[in-house]
Amino acid sequence: SQQGEEDPQALSIQEGENATMNCSYKTSINNLQWYRQNSGRGLVHLILIRSNEREKHSGRLRVTLDTSKKSSSLLITASRAADTASYFCATDARNQGGKLIFGQGTELSVKP
Amino acid sequence: EPEVTQTPSHQVTQMGQEVILRCVPISNHLYFYWYRQILGQKVEFLVSFYNNEISEKSEIFDDQFSVERPDGSNFTLKIRSTKLEDSAMYFCASSGAENIQYFGAGTRLSVL
Repeated sequence: SQQGEEDPQALSIQEGENATMNCSYKTSINNLQWYRQNSGRGLVHLILIRSNEREKHSGRLRVTLDTSKKSSSLLITASRAADTASYFCATDARNQGGKLIFGQGTELSVKP
Repeated sequence: EPEVTQTPSHQVTQMGQEVILRCVPISNHLYFYWYRQILGQKVEFLVSFYNNEISEKSEIFDDQFSVERPDGSNFTLKIRSTKLEDSAMYFCASSGAENIQYFGAGTRLSVL
């Protein structure tokens, strides 16, 4: 699989439920980041987790990182209709000029 | 809040024509990037730029592509002779010391 593969590809939940998205990657990383993209718009940075961190929180977001399994998860708690968007993980590898490698993304739909 | 601005929002061109996509990064950022996203696909890295030179480029970024920072504020992507397959959303991004990238809203390039 490609660097930064997310699953599921699509997720549909009701408002108030939690949404969990997973990401796998292949190479060594400096950090892993999650971005959000509303339809037809640019990407918005959500959260960054460094390679030496295992868990990080920001508001309703919780990110975990398991470097031994080369995987990460993004949990959005108490989802809202406004959370409807595509979510991408992006890996920042060492000595790569800062380039981010994005996965295919998870399309999240939160129904009111 | 500072933001990355891109112009134009939509560019239509004929195959073989040259296009220049323009970006104004966040003013105190030092690292600049171009990505593209073909409709329905993931975001792909094109090039990173630091200290007036290319830091890293992908295999997509061939001789038809060039980047320039002509003054202290603009960052441009030029495609010399556009092909049909260049049709995509092109995103500019900039970052500071910790590689959190701020993206513009994108330019939709349509090559006819």
